[in-house]
Amino acid sequence: AQSVSQHNHHVILSEAASLELGCNYSYGGTVNLFWYVQYPGQHLQLLLKYFSGDPLVKGIKGFEAEFIKSKFSFNLRKPSVQWSDTAEYFCAVTLMEYGNKLVFGAGTILRVKS
Amino acid sequence: AAGVIQSPRHLIKEKRETATLKCYPIPRHDTVYWYQQGPGQDPQFLISFYEKMQSDKGSIPDRFSAQQFSDYHSELNMSSLELGDSALYFCASSPRGGNEQFFGPGTRLTVL
Repeated sequence: AQSVSQHNHHVILSEAASLELGCNYSYGGTVNLFWYVQYPGQHLQLLLKYFSGDPLVKGIKGFEAEFIKSKFSFNLRKPSVQWSDTAEYFCAVTLMEYGNKLVFGAGTILRVKS
Repeated sequence: AAGVIQSPRHLIKEKRETATLKCYPIPRHDTVYWYQQGPGQDPQFLISFYEKMQSDKGSIPDRFSAQQFSDYHSELNMSSLELGDSALYFCASSPRGGNEQFFGPGTRLTVL
């Protein structure tokens, strides 16, 4: 079955530290890849997405992600985090052969200390 | 820009009661998805509709049913509620042929 793995469930960083959140998926077919952010008590917001083309994708709020097909990975990065980045981050994939339902990873809770 | 609207935002029910959650997609979006997010968990796909027909089904209990209406809004009907149904229920919509889903604010259901 298709699955998405996020390596860290909790990450604590100081402001201005660099961030990298790992995401791996377990399917060899054509995938669409997403990172969503969920601020406390709020709904899911799309940070960035990859469908095809340049494997380095830039999203909102200074986030970027790199799709490495050979590693089945789509890691999220930000060079310098801010206190306001404290949130939960979900990696998700869709497989065109299986409809467009999103399969989410377990999420990574990021806490940025000011 | 118009977003996905969900109502109600909060709902408190007793065990064995029924609940109806509503989702109004972004205008001109014809596909609706429902997800359930339990406390501390990732969202799980329940069911989706395209052009008023069920298009995919996930881990939706038999006690739940859903439909999409002619105006593309969708309703999730939940019967014989159990404590474990307490969760945040998200609706998302996407346009025809689109790969991106736009999420609503969610309905927080609490079953006592």
